[in-house]
Amino acid sequence: SQQGEEDPQALSIQEGENATMNCSYKTSINNLQWYRQNSGRGLVHLILIRSNEREKHSGRLRVTLDTSKKSSSLLITASRAADTASYFCALMDTGRRALTFGSGTRLQVQP
Amino acid sequence: DAGVTQSPTHLIKTRGQQVTLRCSPISGHKSVSWYQQVLGQGPQFIFQYYEKEERGRGNFPDRFSARQFPNYSSELNVNALLLGDSALYLCASSPWEGNNEQFFGPGTRLTVL
Repeated sequence: SQQGEEDPQALSIQEGENATMNCSYKTSINNLQWYRQNSGRGLVHLILIRSNEREKHSGRLRVTLDTSKKSSSLLITASRAADTASYFCALMDTGRRALTFGSGTRLQVQP
Repeated sequence: DAGVTQSPTHLIKTRGQQVTLRCSPISGHKSVSWYQQVLGQGPQFIFQYYEKEERGRGNFPDRFSARQFPNYSSELNVNALLLGDSALYLCASSPWEGNNEQFFGPGTRLTVL
């Protein structure tokens, strides 16, 4: 399966702390994406990292990719209560032209 | 610019009924995809349409069908509803079929009683 699996399933931290979420996958990839979902609503694209990239930054987000270990991590620095959401990694199935998602990490940031 | 819009927001149906969900992509986007998200899980791919043609299909029964119109809007139809069809149905658009980033709408919450 090309599905990514996130770890941990749930994470609770205090405002100002950093949050790290991990994603593991089984097949070779062209790129890996991270999405955020607030309370059962639509998903918002956060960042895309290509297979030839090792690290990428976007504001308070830092994503790493280790293709040898088939894993990626998403780091949110100086978290805020507004970061409370579910975070998903997604892989593009080029055959079906579809994103495949894991079950996500539910992040709770306590004010 | 308006994002992806979906209607209705919420829907309650009973088993055996049929439902039609609607999606309008971002202006200029020609690709529309549909996903089903059951509570507590990640979205699962149902269909992808590009230029009114089906380009991809997930592992869903034939009760699920979709189409794309000349203005690139799309409808998802589900026949003979089952309790297990209760979910958030998400529509996503992208400029072209090979584009990796998907832009999601707010979803339609379907409850089957």
